[in-house]
Amino acid sequence: ETGVTQSPTHLIKTRGQQVTLRCSSQSGHNTVSWYQQALGQGPQFIFQYYREEENGRGNFPPRFSGLQFPNYSSELNVNALELDDSALYLCASSPQGASTDTQYFGPGTRLTVL
Amino acid sequence: GQSLEQPSEVTAVEGAIVQINCTYQTSGFYGLSWYQQHDGGAPTFLSYNALDGLEETGRFSSFLSRSDSYGYLLLQELQMKDSASYFCAVRDRTGRRALTFGSGTRLQVQP
Repeated sequence: ETGVTQSPTHLIKTRGQQVTLRCSSQSGHNTVSWYQQALGQGPQFIFQYYREEENGRGNFPPRFSGLQFPNYSSELNVNALELDDSALYLCASSPQGASTDTQYFGPGTRLTVL
Repeated sequence: GQSLEQPSEVTAVEGAIVQINCTYQTSGFYGLSWYQQHDGGAPTFLSYNALDGLEETGRFSSFLSRSDSYGYLLLQELQMKDSASYFCAVRDRTGRRALTFGSGTRLQVQP
């Protein structure tokens, strides 16, 4: 069983640019959530996708958007990058019908905005 | 809103027992989760409590008191590899299977 994978591992962008981060869910998982983790903080929920529809959103502006594809892989897009967007971006998948809140995290993409 | 409070740092020695506390405020409680994250790594699931009481998984145990909005993670027979950050988390207010995390407790295990 393949775990959650993310690409790229690291990325450097400049302020105002746009970025797309990618995630492949664990096999059999149809729900994917994205989190932003600043240094020394806990992950913060950005949004969640279920069956290709946005299924909940945290306190992030509209310039954070996403997609989920029929194979349950997912993208996170961030427009008009700001310095404060520098963080570790984590995606997490969870299986259909899970009885717990267990999330399976990918290794993350470290984004640096200069 | 939702908030979780946990100590920022804890230090202990190899072989000891350490308890990491977590208090939470949330609208609509489903359960309390614990995750471990090593430096540079991804959070990994440790345990989940939906009901009051103690859940034991090997050297790790987790406790929940719903009436006190309080839980803790107990780590026994500490090993150097247990040095990591530990996060408690509750389901996000949207009610979906997404999580709101605490700020994390950094555990340093010393020889």
